[in-house]
Amino acid sequence: AAGVIQSPRHLIKEKRETATLKCYPISRHDTVYWYQQGPGQDPQFLISFYEKMQSDKGSIPDRFSAQQFSDYHSELNMSSLELGDSALYFCASSSTGTGRFRGYTFGSGTRLTVV
Amino acid sequence: DQQVKQNSPSLSVQEGRISILNCDYTNSMFDYFLWYKKYPAEGPTFLISISSIKDKNEDGRFTVFLNKSAKHLSLHIVPSQPGDSAVYFCAASGQGAGSYQLTFGKGTKLSVIP
Repeated sequence: AAGVIQSPRHLIKEKRETATLKCYPISRHDTVYWYQQGPGQDPQFLISFYEKMQSDKGSIPDRFSAQQFSDYHSELNMSSLELGDSALYFCASSSTGTGRFRGYTFGSGTRLTVV
Repeated sequence: DQQVKQNSPSLSVQEGRISILNCDYTNSMFDYFLWYKKYPAEGPTFLISISSIKDKNEDGRFTVFLNKSAKHLSLHIVPSQPGDSAVYFCAASGQGAGSYQLTFGKGTKLSVIP
């Protein structure tokens, strides 16, 4: 079965530009989570969506926004990019109906480099 | 303020021996703990988990021990194999709002030497 798909895998942007990261969850998963992992750091929770509504919010800067669409895919929009935004961005998906963390699966990540 | 701590950034173990990865947490509201394994250029992969109502969970070569009073958990891999070489993240979650959100440690890089 297909896993969580993230695109693009790599992205290079200049400071002050905008970036959009996409996440396609596993089929029938209703919840999407975004994490940011800086160099040598642990993954930090950014935001999550359940049934297209924001369900939880972590350390997401105001310059970032995200949404979940009717087909359950999610996009993370990042504006006014800063050098410190360079990181690996992971998306994960799960199905809340099957129990907490059961099937909580991560994608391979998008590596964003801001120059 | 790091709520989940993995104090050993790296660990080297001989093939066939036991690998023990440690994790400490500070938030007493955490009630579910997970270990993820991560290879370079891939996302974290779920390995094993434990609920706070248990003190041990075993799955094949992997065993997780939880000591609630010490707020400490450990992952034992025995016997260790070269394919186990990866970064291991400890993660935790609490009850109520945000109960599906994971708080990660910084990871421990395990190297299993053939």
